[in-house]
Amino acid sequence: DTAVSQTPKYLVTQMGNDKSIKCEQNLGHDTMYWYKQDSKKFLKIMFSYNNKELIINETVPNRFSPKSPDKAHLNLHINSLELGDSAVYFCASSRTRLAGAYNEQFFGPGTRLTVL
Amino acid sequence: AQSVTQLGSHVSVSEGALVLLRCNYSSSVPPYLFWYVQYPNQGLQLLLKYTTGATLVKGINGFEAEFKKSETSFHLTKPSAHMSDAAEYFCAVSGRTGTASKLTFGTGTRLQVTL
Repeated sequence: DTAVSQTPKYLVTQMGNDKSIKCEQNLGHDTMYWYKQDSKKFLKIMFSYNNKELIINETVPNRFSPKSPDKAHLNLHINSLELGDSAVYFCASSRTRLAGAYNEQFFGPGTRLTVL
Repeated sequence: AQSVTQLGSHVSVSEGALVLLRCNYSSSVPPYLFWYVQYPNQGLQLLLKYTTGATLVKGINGFEAEFKKSETSFHLTKPSAHMSDAAEYFCAVSGRTGTASKLTFGTGTRLQVTL
């Protein structure tokens, strides 16, 4: 069984459209994350949710809106897509919201978003 | 703020040769340190981590890393490279126990293994 899954794997869309990416984890973790990997492979955290509550919100345009219907799911909705949004978006989860010796993050396979 | 620097965006070794991927961190207190591997078109997989205790950490696939506080380094090594080790490797840092679990990544090092 896949621990952290994301859909879709690939997403190609036009500028100005609105799209969503879904993430689900079956690890029973409380905390979930969204990371963005740009064309140079640089990874940066965007958001983190703990048990449906937003706890980390890095400097991300407000066109990006995460939503967590329950602690096993974290979706990312993007409005008015721009060329610069093209990237691979990774979802991750960890047992708790706090760093700890046994609180490593598990990553999903990524969603490659291409904005034309 | 914590950060990591990976020296060398691209490293090429021959199959059977030593692999050395460099990572230096910047933090006011010793952080937690991680190495992740990303195979082509896949997600990130944890190779190993340093939190407390022994400074030489063994991970999966024969990789190991040594935490050196005096050098603020956490270099990744493998005695003998295999073709299957070709991938992108990321060093990452997080705060210690009690701080937010947020990973800050280095810029990555692409490992190429040649025959």
